[in-house]
Amino acid sequence: NAGVMQNPRHLVRRRGQEARLRCSPMKGHSHVYWYRQLPEEGLKFMVYLQKENIIDESGMPKERFSAEFPKEGPSILRIQQVVRGDSAAYFCASSTSVRGPSDQYFGPGTRLLVL
Amino acid sequence: KNQVEQSPQSLIILEGKNCTLQCNYTVSPFSNLRWYKQDTGRGPVSLTIMTFSENTKSNGRYTATLDADTKQSSLHITASQLSDSASYICVVSAQAGTALIFGKGTTLSVSS
Repeated sequence: NAGVMQNPRHLVRRRGQEARLRCSPMKGHSHVYWYRQLPEEGLKFMVYLQKENIIDESGMPKERFSAEFPKEGPSILRIQQVVRGDSAAYFCASSTSVRGPSDQYFGPGTRLLVL
Repeated sequence: KNQVEQSPQSLIILEGKNCTLQCNYTVSPFSNLRWYKQDTGRGPVSLTIMTFSENTKSNGRYTATLDADTKQSSLHITASQLSDSASYICVVSAQAGTALIFGKGTTLSVSS
């Protein structure tokens, strides 16, 4: 049973370009969470999605960032017109259910570098 | 404001020794507290999850404690190994199904 998969593992973009980060949850998991980790900082929640629905996007910047989790295929975190401050590690996690303290399983992360 | 504070920021110990990491939180309402281990360049891996009614939980050489009254938790590592070198992150959930609130982590280095 493969774990949470993220790709690419490393992404380099120039200012103004778009970054697309992909996350495939563990088999059987229908809940996906995106987190951002800045250097020397803890992970910060961005968005929580279920299939075809955004449940909580309270941690998502209001502009340039969007996320989706389509019926088929991976979850996508999209950053438009990237700026240097977007450079960070972006982690995706998945879980089976929100009833009780279900474990969130994390992927290896995508490290975005904006030049 | 919901916050999770960890101490120490970093720790160096000799292989075979024990250590204890601390976590204080101000998250309310409280649902559960987790400890994660994050190796360099990897995603966090869950070690323990404790709800309000649980005082202690063990996972091999890792033992976590929780005092919900004082809003404190600790992670005790017994007989440390070189592979324990990692960042240990305390994570609190305000209620089931919502965002996790992460501490900045304690970086543990185990040397031979």
